[in-house]
Amino acid sequence: EDKVVQSPLSLVVHEGDTVTLNCSYEVTNFRSLLWYKQEKKAPTFLFMLTSSGIEKKSGRLSSILDKKELFSILNITATQTGDSAVYLCASKNAGGTSYGKLTFGQGTILTVHP
Amino acid sequence: GAGVSQTPSNKVTEKGKYVELRCDPISGHTALYWYRQSLGQGPEFLIYFQGTGAADDSGLPNDRFFAVRPEGSVSTLKIQRTERGDSAVYLCASSPLPGSGYEQYFGPGTRLTVT
Repeated sequence: EDKVVQSPLSLVVHEGDTVTLNCSYEVTNFRSLLWYKQEKKAPTFLFMLTSSGIEKKSGRLSSILDKKELFSILNITATQTGDSAVYLCASKNAGGTSYGKLTFGQGTILTVHP
Repeated sequence: GAGVSQTPSNKVTEKGKYVELRCDPISGHTALYWYRQSLGQGPEFLIYFQGTGAADDSGLPNDRFFAVRPEGSVSTLKIQRTERGDSAVYLCASSPLPGSGYEQYFGPGTRLTVT
């Protein structure tokens, strides 16, 4: 059974801190690793990582994938209160009838205090 | 532009009743996915449609759950004889194609509460 595990489950920091969120995966037919931010209901897309060792960056957020050790990290620098959310990691299935199916981790709840 | 929409946003029903949850994907997206998210958990896959057909329904928990997408656009998730354990947020997502190069765009979800 495919499994995605995130750590920590929750994190409380102050504005300006840097945080690192972790995601490990054990999946068959792995294709990509995706990160989403969920504030109210709809997860919003952050990154999709397919190749190992190539950092993707968007503003203060960055992410990288290690396909040998089967993990990914999401970094947020100079955190702001607006970064408070649940961050979800998901593996994307490569083929067969489950093509494109996402398997999610349980999420990391990030709280940023002023 | 219009994103994925889901109706209703909230649904409260009594145990044993039947409910229908609707998803309107982004226009032109051929792949449509339903997920269920319980409190404190990540979304769990339920069913995937490619066009009108259910390509993978392995995530449906039992035969009380059924979903259709008759014209390859709007999809309806149907739950019969609801149980309190069905209470969750039901998320729908669509993608231009199911392939690995495409992200999934999520709707705001329907929060289902079974009393």
